[in-house]
Amino acid sequence: GAGVSQSPSNKVTEKGKDVELRCDPISGHTALYWYRQSLGQGLEFLIYFQGNSAPDKSGLPSDRFSAERTGGSVSTLTIQRTQQEDSAVYLCASSLEPATEAFFGQGTRLTVV
Amino acid sequence: RKEVEQDPGPFNVPEGATVAFNCTYSNSASQSFFWYRQDCRKEPKLLMSVYSSGNEDGRFTAQLNRASQYISLLIRDSKLSDSATYLCVVNPFTGNQFYFGTGTSLTVIP
Repeated sequence: GAGVSQSPSNKVTEKGKDVELRCDPISGHTALYWYRQSLGQGLEFLIYFQGNSAPDKSGLPSDRFSAERTGGSVSTLTIQRTQQEDSAVYLCASSLEPATEAFFGQGTRLTVV
Repeated sequence: RKEVEQDPGPFNVPEGATVAFNCTYSNSASQSFFWYRQDCRKEPKLLMSVYSSGNEDGRFTAQLNRASQYISLLIRDSKLSDSATYLCVVNPFTGNQFYFGTGTSLTVIP
């Protein structure tokens, strides 16, 4: 498909386990964003990638969270030693260039039990 | 102070009504402005960009007032399918992140 693709759609994990979330942006989009949204809450910025520049990690809530973007395309968000408060929908978006229209994937719903 | 502030509503309007949403932003250097809609348990979807001169897309009209740091969205002839949460989004053109308002909830009633 031509849109942003995220996997898995849903993930249930036990507290303390590590999880990896994947985002496949729209082809040719240079900017990639990760946000998360807790139930009934607004979008919380996590991290931003632009081309080959160093990512903006200012939104990552703790050092348990990390992300990488390989070859300027696919990105993975890793959460180590998951906690119950990590339960949320993790949304990835991409845009052709910084600050232009961004398109979201369907999200990964993470539940930590 | 929040980067983007919106009236959370909810707005409950009858079909065919005209409804307006407002939003203010705090960073006067902001350059990119958007409205997104988000349906329940779905991802945000781009509704329209907002340009300095104002712009229209069918029943939807967006306005930007840079002096007042204010953005608006007008929906005419509301449809049941317009029921959603509308998110005001601003990017200060450092590009690093989009700032999202908390959203305004709209329900269009038959």
